[in-house]
Amino acid sequence: KQEVTQIPAALSVPEGENLVLNCSFTDSAIYNLQWFRQDPGKGLTSLLLIQSSQREQTSGRLNASLDKSSGRSTLYIAASQPGDSATYLCAVMNRDDKIIFGKGTRLHILP
Amino acid sequence: GAGVSQSPSNKVTEKGKDVELRCDPISGHTALYWYRQSLGQGLEFLIYFQGNSAPDKSGLPSDRFSAERTGGSVSTLTIQRTQQEDSAVYLCASSLVQMEAYEQYFGPGTRLTVT
Repeated sequence: KQEVTQIPAALSVPEGENLVLNCSFTDSAIYNLQWFRQDPGKGLTSLLLIQSSQREQTSGRLNASLDKSSGRSTLYIAASQPGDSATYLCAVMNRDDKIIFGKGTRLHILP
Repeated sequence: GAGVSQSPSNKVTEKGKDVELRCDPISGHTALYWYRQSLGQGLEFLIYFQGNSAPDKSGLPSDRFSAERTGGSVSTLTIQRTQQEDSAVYLCASSLVQMEAYEQYFGPGTRLTVT
C-alpha cells in the first residue's frame, strides 16, 4: 500500500532564505508526482508536476526533483518571501490510478 | 477561463439526512476526482471518473457514499444518512485526461458540517 510522508510537518524560516521540503513514498510504481500549495480555507493550487520519466521540473523560484528509485522528491524554494507561507502538499499517482497525498508541510516565512 | 467550481461552498446538515455535493469541472476536462480533507488529516482520495465511468469505487468510505457523473461534465457526490464523522471539506479536481502528463486543478471545496 502506497504511503506518502512529508518532512518536516512544519517549518519557519526568515524571509530570503532558500529552503527544501521533502516528500517520500514507499511504492516507486508511480505515474507522476505533483506538488501543491494550500492556503488556509482554500482549495489546492498546482505548483509542479513531474512525470515518472522525468527527474525535475522548474517554475520560477520553485524546483522539484524526483528520484523514483529511492522514493523521494524535494521541492526547493529559492529566496523565500512571506507570500510563500502556506501548506505544501505532495501527491503521487499510482499505477492503479489512485492518488495518495502526504499530510503536508506548513511553511511560515518570517518577514 | 473558468476553473473548477463546487457547490454549495458550505453545508450544515443534521445527522441522518442525505446531502448532495456538486462539482463542475473545467470545460473539456475528461478526468474528475473527489477527495475528502478532514480536520487534522491529509487528503483522502475517494473516487475518480474518466468520462462518465468510475473504474474503481473502493476509495469511497462506506456504502452511504455514491458518486455519479453525467454528460462527461458535472459530477455529484451523495452522502446518505450522514454521520458526524462525515464532517470534512470535500474537494473536487479535474484534469484534461487521466494520464501522467496532466495536472489536476482543484475547486475551492465544500465544507460539510454534520450536527
